[in-house]
Parts: sequence; C-alpha cells; structure tokens
Amino acid sequence: QVQLVESGGGLVKPGGSLRLSCAASGFTFSDYYMSWIRQAPGKGVEWVSYISSSGSMYYADSVKGRFTISRDNAKNSLYLQMNSLRAEDTAVYYCARDAPGIVAAVWGQGTTVTVSS
Amino acid sequence: EIVLTQSPATLSLSPGERATLSCRASQSVSSYLAWYQQKPGQAPRLLIYDASNRATGIPARFSGSGSGTDFTLTISSLEPEDFAVYYCRQRSNWPFTFGPGTKVDIK
Repeated sequence: QVQLVESGGGLVKPGGSLRLSCAASGFTFSDYYMSWIRQAPGKGVEWVSYISSSGSMYYADSVKGRFTISRDNAKNSLYLQMNSLRAEDTAVYYCARDAPGIVAAVWGQGTTVTVSS
Repeated sequence: EIVLTQSPATLSLSPGERATLSCRASQSVSSYLAWYQQKPGQAPRLLIYDASNRATGIPARFSGSGSGTDFTLTISSLEPEDFAVYYCRQRSNWPFTFGPGTKVDIK
C-alpha cells in the first residue's frame, strides 16, 4: 500500500538548517507530483512547496529563497532543505502525494520541526 | 493569493444530526476545492475533491457541493468518529491554500 514516511525533524536554533526526507513506497514515485505542507502548533495548514514529476518547483512566499524542494526518483525520496530557519517555521511538516487529478491525496504522518534558541 | 474563509468556526452538534460547513473563496476557484478531515495527532485526510467527488473509502454520508466562490460540506448524520476539524483547500492558483478550519464538536 502507499506509504510516506517523513524524517529529519528536530530542534534547531534560529538561523540554522535542517533537511527533511520523505521515503515513499507502494507506488511508482517518479510518476507523481509531491508536496511539503506544514501545520504550526494549534494553527491552520500551509502549503510549503510542490514539485512536479518532471522537477518543476513551486514555493510559498514565506519560504522562497530559504527552502529547496528536491526529489530522487532512484531512491523514491522527497527532500526539503530548510535554511535560515525562523521561529515561525516551527511546525509539523507533512509530505503528501497527488493522485491522478487530485492534489495532496495521501499524506505521511509528519515530522516536527522546532526552531528555538 | 486566494483566501479561503470557513464558517462557522465551531459547530456543536449531537450524533445523528446533520452538519453543514461552509467555505468561501476570495475569488473564483471553479470546482477546484477539496475538503479534509483532521483528528488530533493525525494528518489531514482527504474527504472530497473537485467540490463534489468523494475520495476512495469515504462514506456516503459526506457530500460536497458548490462552485466558483461558495462551497458546502454536508455530513448527513454525524457518527461519533466524525467529530474533528474540517479544512477546505483550493488548487485553482498557486499558492494552493487552506481555510482556517471548522471544528465539529459534541454538543
């Protein structure tokens, strides 16, 4: 079955960096658009970044220039390189996969990023 | 950026009652609107996509309607497991955006 497993979250100081990973299984990873979506504690949901099957990338204005989405189809993995982290980046980060004609149809369980001194 | 507004913020109902949740977009999103359910400690789960299509495995008591700027999620008869937060989400324009959510709690 389709499985998405995020990792790489943790505690980091403001200005620091983290790299999140999402290991995908149960489907042909290279065929699907993928997303990173986050949810700050007690808050709503925010789309962070989106990558097409061919590698076109889209970013929210709040992370543009600081975060980089990438994918390694050979490793069935999605990544989010996060630099210059700020307190407001503190959130649970989810990896999500599209289905044909359906954006963000399947989600992982999330990984928690805390930015604090 | 398209802003989604959801109402009410909280809906207090009893099991067996009908729930009607609203989502309004700041500009037309055509039918490119989805609904998600989120329970504490869990990721959002897709319920409805493209305004009125139920996702795989979603019970028939969940239905969606609307187009343009006004959308509705209806739960025909609340089951105990339906008490949760519900988000709408548009994919008409990047950045895709979510509404602030409606919490359906037990009266």
